[in-house]
Amino acid sequence: AQRVTQPEKLLSVFKGAPVELKCNYSYSGSPELFWYVQYSRQRLQLLLRHISRESIKGFTADLNKGETSFHLKKPFAQEEDSAMYYCALRTVPGNTGKLIFGQGTTLQVKP
Amino acid sequence: EAGVAQSPRYKIIEKRQSVAFWCNPISGHATLYWYQQILGQGPKLLIQFQNNGVVDDSQLPKDRFSAERLKGVDSTLKIQPAKLEDSAVYLCASSLGDGGHEQFFGPGTRLTVL
Repeated sequence: AQRVTQPEKLLSVFKGAPVELKCNYSYSGSPELFWYVQYSRQRLQLLLRHISRESIKGFTADLNKGETSFHLKKPFAQEEDSAMYYCALRTVPGNTGKLIFGQGTTLQVKP
Repeated sequence: EAGVAQSPRYKIIEKRQSVAFWCNPISGHATLYWYQQILGQGPKLLIQFQNNGVVDDSQLPKDRFSAERLKGVDSTLKIQPAKLEDSAVYLCASSLGDGGHEQFFGPGTRLTVL
């Protein structure tokens, strides 16, 4: 069965420290992976997708098919990065848009 | 552009009552999704529409949940009768099409079943 696992419910770091939010997936096909973010009192929104291979707000994520992982990284955390982060998997690339979400990780960046 | 609109934002009902949620997607978006997000979990897809046709409703509890998108624009999600375990945030999202298009989410409706 398709599944996304985010092992950390809460990640707390100090401003300026590196951040890595872990995401592992289970899917036998060719995956599409995404990171979504929800800031306090705001809507869930797309942060980045693996096919874009771009850096958004200093965040990057590399798809590692061997380890079935898509960890989100940022070298220097900022207080405004504090939010809930969800990793998501699309199971049928190019067909339906169905997303399977992980349980989410709360990132807390302390001053 | 205006985002996805949902109403009501909050709803409190007693078990066995009925409730309905409304979603207005971004103009021109053909695909509409309803997700259920239980506290402490990620969103789970309940149903996906492409225009006014159902693409995926495999995780919709059809004995109590129903959804429609009659004219291919607005959508309603209904629960009848509600159970305690239906307490959750119900998120609506829309995208230009299915497949590789970005999904834009609404603010959600927080349902509490007492």
